Amino acid sequence: NAGVMQNPRHLVRRRGQEARLRCSPMKGHSHVYWYRQLPEEGLKFMVYLQKENIIDESGMPKERFSAEFPKEGPSILRIQQVVRGDSAAYFCASSPGVVATNEKLFFGSGTQLSVL
Amino acid sequence: GESVGLHLPTLSVQEGDNSIINCAYSNSASDYFIWYKQESGKGPQFIIDIRSNMDKRQGQRVTVLLNKTVKHLSLQIAATQPGDSAVYFCARGFGNEKLTFGTGTRLTIIP
Repeated sequence: NAGVMQNPRHLVRRRGQEARLRCSPMKGHSHVYWYRQLPEEGLKFMVYLQKENIIDESGMPKERFSAEFPKEGPSILRIQQVVRGDSAAYFCASSPGVVATNEKLFFGSGTQLSVL
Repeated sequence: GESVGLHLPTLSVQEGDNSIINCAYSNSASDYFIWYKQESGKGPQFIIDIRSNMDKRQGQRVTVLLNKTVKHLSLQIAATQPGDSAVYFCARGFGNEKLTFGTGTRLTIIP
């Protein structure tokens, strides 16, 4: 049973370009969460999605950032017109249902975005 | 607002000794807490969790203690091993939708 798969592992973009980060949840998981981690800091919640629905995007910047989780295919975190401040590790997590004590989040290995 | 923080950014422990990693939280709302371990270049890995109506929970070599009076959470690792070297995060669940993470403690095991 493959875990949460994220790709690419490393992504380098120049300022103004677009970054697309992909996340395939664990088999059977229909809930996806995206988190961002700056160096030496904890993870910060960005967005929570279910298939075809955004449930909570309270942690997403209002501009340039968007996320989707289509009926078929991986979840995509899209950052338009990247700036240096977007450089961070972006982690995806999935769960089989609403996260509670027994519904643990399983994290992928992350995508390290570097903006030149 | 809600926040979760850690007392110490780094902790060095002799191999075989016990480790205690601490975490403080600022809100009295009762939900649940989770400890994660993050190794270099990897995503967080679940270690153990505890609901707010509990004081203690034990796993394999790990124990989590929750003191609601002083809003304090700790992770105890028994007989630490080199593989325990990592950054440890406490996280708090608000409702059932997202987690708020602390800044982490880097645990280094000295051979």
